[in-house]
Amino acid sequence: RKEVEQDPGPFNVPEGATVAFNCTYSNSASQSFFWYRQDCRKEPKLLMSVYSSGNEDGRFTAQLNRASQYISLLIRDSKLSDSATYLCVVNSGGYNKLIFGAGTRLAVHP
Amino acid sequence: GAVVSQHPSWVICKSGTSVKIECRSLDFQATTMFWYRQFPKQSLMLMATSNEGSKATYEQGVEKDKFLINHASLTLSTLTVTSAHPEDSSFYICSATESAGAYNEQFFGPGTRLTVL
Repeated sequence: RKEVEQDPGPFNVPEGATVAFNCTYSNSASQSFFWYRQDCRKEPKLLMSVYSSGNEDGRFTAQLNRASQYISLLIRDSKLSDSATYLCVVNSGGYNKLIFGAGTRLAVHP
Repeated sequence: GAVVSQHPSWVICKSGTSVKIECRSLDFQATTMFWYRQFPKQSLMLMATSNEGSKATYEQGVEKDKFLINHASLTLSTLTVTSAHPEDSSFYICSATESAGAYNEQFFGPGTRLTVL
């Protein structure tokens, strides 16, 4: 079983739609959780950290359920520029080790 | 701030040759640098973690004699792919963090695309 699992998609949605991505992780000792965004042939960029209480940054809302080992990302009012691959990332154990999911691809069309 | 550069951005080489990739933190001192590899449509996989002045820690399944990592200063780490073969063709990405210990944000370089013919 992969340490971090995501639905690969693609999710094809029209502009303005709301889309949700899910992610599960296997290591119950994981400490920190993130969503990264990766554009084609580019490096990943931090979108947002995910906190136990849930957190929001503009159109993006992240939720964490430690009991179910489940992380989600909600994007409201999708823009064309949101088209990218969204990576669920978990910091397992100490020492900054990041475990990446394979990513969920989002394509927003006019 | 927090810019990480990589050089070269892409490289094509013949099978059997060695390729060196540089990772530099431009505006901060990187106590720890990480090397990742990403095959098409797959996730980034951590290859090794390196701390300035000490030997790198390799992940399971990564050959330390094939992927030589040197972290000689607080702003530079290098990855040398020795005797490269076509199966080593991949996207190699480094990241850097300012301090070890509790989690600090990793800043990623733009990646190096390696093609071995």
